[in-house]
Amino acid sequence: TQLLEQSPQFLSIQEGENLTVYCNSSSVFSSLQWYRQEPGEGPVLLVTVVTGGEVKKLKRLTFQFGDARKDSSLHITAAQPGDTGLYLCAGSNFGNEKLTFGTGTRLTIIP
Amino acid sequence: KAGVTQTPRYLIKTRGQQVTLSCSPISGHRSVSWYQQTPGQGLQFLFEYFSETQRNKGNFPGRFSGRQFSNSRSEMNVSTLELGDSALYLCASSPTAANTEAFFGQGTRLTVV
Repeated sequence: TQLLEQSPQFLSIQEGENLTVYCNSSSVFSSLQWYRQEPGEGPVLLVTVVTGGEVKKLKRLTFQFGDARKDSSLHITAAQPGDTGLYLCAGSNFGNEKLTFGTGTRLTIIP
Repeated sequence: KAGVTQTPRYLIKTRGQQVTLSCSPISGHRSVSWYQQTPGQGLQFLFEYFSETQRNKGNFPGRFSGRQFSNSRSEMNVSTLELGDSALYLCASSPTAANTEAFFGQGTRLTVV
């Protein structure tokens, strides 16, 4: 069974600070996605990374896929209250058409 | 383009009853997946359909079942409801057969009393 562990589980920081969220597994994934979910809503896809070592930027968010494709990180610069939400990583493998979701990081940005 | 639509948004059922949830994927998406989300277990995969065929099934009892129609719309059914089935049920559709990216609906909040 493939598992994705996210850390930290909870994170509460002041507006303007930087933060990093981690997603780790002992298994290799063909691709990895990051989602953000707000209360009462479904997760919204932020990014997909497919190549080991790949780095993608989405405004103040920077996503990195580990060289061995077993882990990923999400770095947010100058966090804003609108970044508040549950961040989920999810991995998939070719030939296995299901996503394995991480345990989630609940992020709160304090104005 | 309309997003993934799930109905109903909220549902209250009694133990022992059965329930059917509906999902309409994004137009053109043929892959539909279902997930159960609870505070304790997070997002758990239920099953995935592509062109009316179930390709993958998660680790849930047989009380959980689903199907997909020729127009890609999907339903999931839970029979003999238990208190522990209370959860947010999420449907996601994907544009490719590889299902590497999921676009989620708002979910159906099921409460079993």
